[in-house]
Amino acid sequence: GNSVTQMEGPVTLSEEAFLTINCTYTATGYPSLFWYVQYPGEGLQLLLKATKADDKGSNKGFEATYRKETTSFHLEKGSVQVSDSAVYFCALRSYSGAGSYQLTFGKGTKLSVIP
Amino acid sequence: DTGVSQNPRHKITKRGQNVTFRCDPISEHNRLYWYRQTLGQGPEFLTYFQNEAQLEKSRLLSDRFSAERPKGSFSTLEIQRTEQGDSAMYLCASSWDREGYGYTFGSGTRLTVV
Repeated sequence: GNSVTQMEGPVTLSEEAFLTINCTYTATGYPSLFWYVQYPGEGLQLLLKATKADDKGSNKGFEATYRKETTSFHLEKGSVQVSDSAVYFCALRSYSGAGSYQLTFGKGTKLSVIP
Repeated sequence: DTGVSQNPRHKITKRGQNVTFRCDPISEHNRLYWYRQTLGQGPEFLTYFQNEAQLEKSRLLSDRFSAERPKGSFSTLEIQRTEQGDSAMYLCASSWDREGYGYTFGSGTRLTVV
């Protein structure tokens, strides 16, 4: 079955530090890949996505590249801010065969950015 | 458009009681999903509606769980005879597109079974 593995947290960084959160996946075919972010007390928000190999998703200074050869979709940001503190989820989208496109999530990585 | 709304935000119940959660999707979204998120885990798919039809149910959805979406608008998720293992965040999402790129999640209902 499909699965997503992302690096364990929590991750604590100083403001303006470089961020990498690793994500690898197992899936049949070529799923679309996503990063979601969950701020405290809020719902999951789509951060970025990539739909095919070598695509780069980007948003708010975050980037991730779909690497088919390594089945990876690592999240990066060059300079984090305190406002980036949240839980980040890597996910893949797959067709269930019964009518729905479902998301399979990793366990999440909590990021704390300190001033 | 206020996004996907879920009520209540928190629910504490005694083991064995029944609980019901409500989800109001974005009005023009005809697809609705329920996910469950336990502590330290990512969300897991529970069930999917297209309009009022429940088209798919996960094996996670035991017989004690039932979901409805009358008239293709809001949806309810009921858990009967709750167990401590049911404690989790229950997330609702809606989308306008078949492929699911337009997922919008609600803030969730946190259930605690004591």
